[in-house]
Amino acid sequence: QKEVEQDPGPLSVPEGAIVSLNCTYSNSAFQYFMWYRQYSRKGPELLMYTYSSGNKEDGRFTAQVDKSSKYISLFIRDSQPSDSATYLCAMIREYGNKLVFGAGTILRVKS
Amino acid sequence: SAVISQKPSRDICQRGTSLTIQCQVDSQVTMMFWYRQQPGQSLTLIATANQGSEATYESGFVIDKFPISRPNLTFSTLTVSNMSPEDSSIYLCSVRAGNTIYFGEGSWLTVV
Repeated sequence: QKEVEQDPGPLSVPEGAIVSLNCTYSNSAFQYFMWYRQYSRKGPELLMYTYSSGNKEDGRFTAQVDKSSKYISLFIRDSQPSDSATYLCAMIREYGNKLVFGAGTILRVKS
Repeated sequence: SAVISQKPSRDICQRGTSLTIQCQVDSQVTMMFWYRQQPGQSLTLIATANQGSEATYESGFVIDKFPISRPNLTFSTLTVSNMSPEDSSIYLCSVRAGNTIYFGEGSWLTVV
């Protein structure tokens, strides 16, 4: 079993839809949770960063962490064609340095 | 946050040759890392670049194939040695700043 599970998609939605991206994990030691957006042949861009459980909002993006269920989510409101990319969840232990990534979900927003 | 510059951004390399990728950060950082992302795959950590000492390699990666230098707190290099087509990947430099990790734009290598 992988430490972090993420559905690779692709997920295809119409412009303006609300997108829900999710990851589950097995290691309760993870404390920091991140979402990265990656366009084709580019480096990952940090979108959201959350410590422990709770919600965090930034513009059209909301990150949720439920440590009791070992489940994290990223919501994108009013999705745009420019949101079409691969979204990677990643997590790290309290005093660790090694990021553990999900497989990445390919998102396609159709205009 | 941290701004990371990588060179080259892309290159086409001949089989059997070696290529060195440079990574420059806009501020001093303790932790620098090198990742590989093969086509259609997620990111795999190659090694942690330690300033003033030898890099710490992950399982499956060895110094002879991926020598790393870290002369100071803002700069590192990764060399991909004796390249084969299987080394065609994006190579990414990353740094830890505070409690999060940032990535450079990556170096896209194609080995022919």
